[in-house]
Amino acid sequence: KNQVEQSPQSLIILEGKNCTLQCNYTVSPFSNLRWYKQDTGRGPVSLTIMTFSENTKSNGRYTATLDADTKQSSLHITASQLSDSASYICVVSAFQAGTALIFGKGTTLSVSS
Amino acid sequence: DGGITQSPKYLFRKEGQNVTLSCEQNLNHDAMYWYRQDPGQGLRLIYYSQIVNDFQKGDIAEGYSVSREKKESFPLTVTSAQKNPTAFYLCASSPRQGDTEAFFGQGTRLTVV
Repeated sequence: KNQVEQSPQSLIILEGKNCTLQCNYTVSPFSNLRWYKQDTGRGPVSLTIMTFSENTKSNGRYTATLDADTKQSSLHITASQLSDSASYICVVSAFQAGTALIFGKGTTLSVSS
Repeated sequence: DGGITQSPKYLFRKEGQNVTLSCEQNLNHDAMYWYRQDPGQGLRLIYYSQIVNDFQKGDIAEGYSVSREKKESFPLTVTSAQKNPTAFYLCASSPRQGDTEAFFGQGTRLTVV
């Protein structure tokens, strides 16, 4: 069964600290993986996309990694800011007919001052 | 500006009533989706459409109905058959079905009173 598991479920860090969010998937055949940021009460917004051949991609203070062999991805946030407080969702796309977007449940990040 | 618009942002429904949530996009996307989000849960797919006049059930379609008469519009009706309709509903579109580059609306929070 195609699944996306994220950890931790929630995380609290101090402003200025770094953190890493994890995403493990069992989706096959794999197409690509995206990380989304969802502010409370808003729709998710894409942060970055990882394709099969990419290992690392950065978007400002966000760095995503992908290990297609172990089917793991991570999102590293550097020098966290209060505005980083949000839910981070991992979404994996599969090459298949029908529904092909598999969502993780998200990690809720709280950055405190 | 191109984008995807959901309305209303907040909606209250009496038990036994049907309500329709609006979703409009001007991105010329073929695929459109409806998701439901509950606290502590990931996004769950209700219905999706790959093309005008065609739509498919997602994982939790019972108690919901949709139509896709125009490429730009994908309204969702929450019927009285949906026993637990209070939730945050998100509409999304993507250039084609299965593309993880989904663009989300701002969501509609439905509350049954």
